[in-house]
Amino acid sequence: ILNVEQSPQSLHVQEGDSTNFTCSFPSSNFYALHWYRWETAKSPEALFVMTLNGDEKKKGRISATLNTKEGYSYLYIKGSQPEDSATYLCAFPPPPYNQGGKLIFGQGTELSVKP
Amino acid sequence: DAGITQSPRHKVTETGTPVTLRCHQTENHRYMYWYRQDPGHGLRLIHYSYGVKDTDKGEVSDGYSVSRSKTEDFLLTLESATSSQTSVYFCAISGETRETQYFGPGTRLLVL
Repeated sequence: ILNVEQSPQSLHVQEGDSTNFTCSFPSSNFYALHWYRWETAKSPEALFVMTLNGDEKKKGRISATLNTKEGYSYLYIKGSQPEDSATYLCAFPPPPYNQGGKLIFGQGTELSVKP
Repeated sequence: DAGITQSPRHKVTETGTPVTLRCHQTENHRYMYWYRQDPGHGLRLIHYSYGVKDTDKGEVSDGYSVSRSKTEDFLLTLESATSSQTSVYFCAISGETRETQYFGPGTRLLVL
């Protein structure tokens, strides 16, 4: 069974702290890795799709790196703000990759930023 | 925002009744998905579609069926609702296999 593991499960930080969390995925037959941001009572919202080993993507204060050889991705938030409070999900498409783009999601890291 | 709507947004039903949830998109995307969200389980794929009349099962498909007779509509049916199907249901769409998925607003279903 293919699995995506995210750690930590939850994180509580103060406003202004920088933080990071991890997504681990099977390293064999890598195809792509997705990151989503999911605020309470809203829908998941796409952050990044990463496809190449060594990829680094950035969106404002949020950035992500990818290591496909060892099967992990890090998400960093620089200078966390209360509006960054959300659950951050990673997901990857399981092989075979012609399966209609379906994704396996991790359980997420729940981030809470206190003012 | 991607043009995805779900209906109804909230529904309360009784055990044993059939329920149909609708997902409608205006993006002409090929792929459509139904997920359920439950505490401790995150998002789990129920069924997905890779074209009109082309559907396949996800990881938690038991008790659910789907249909896609038009590109823009993907229906999820609970043939005989059970309390274990109380959940929040999200529809998503994507254009190609590596592309991001865009999620609808969700349907909150309570089965009594």
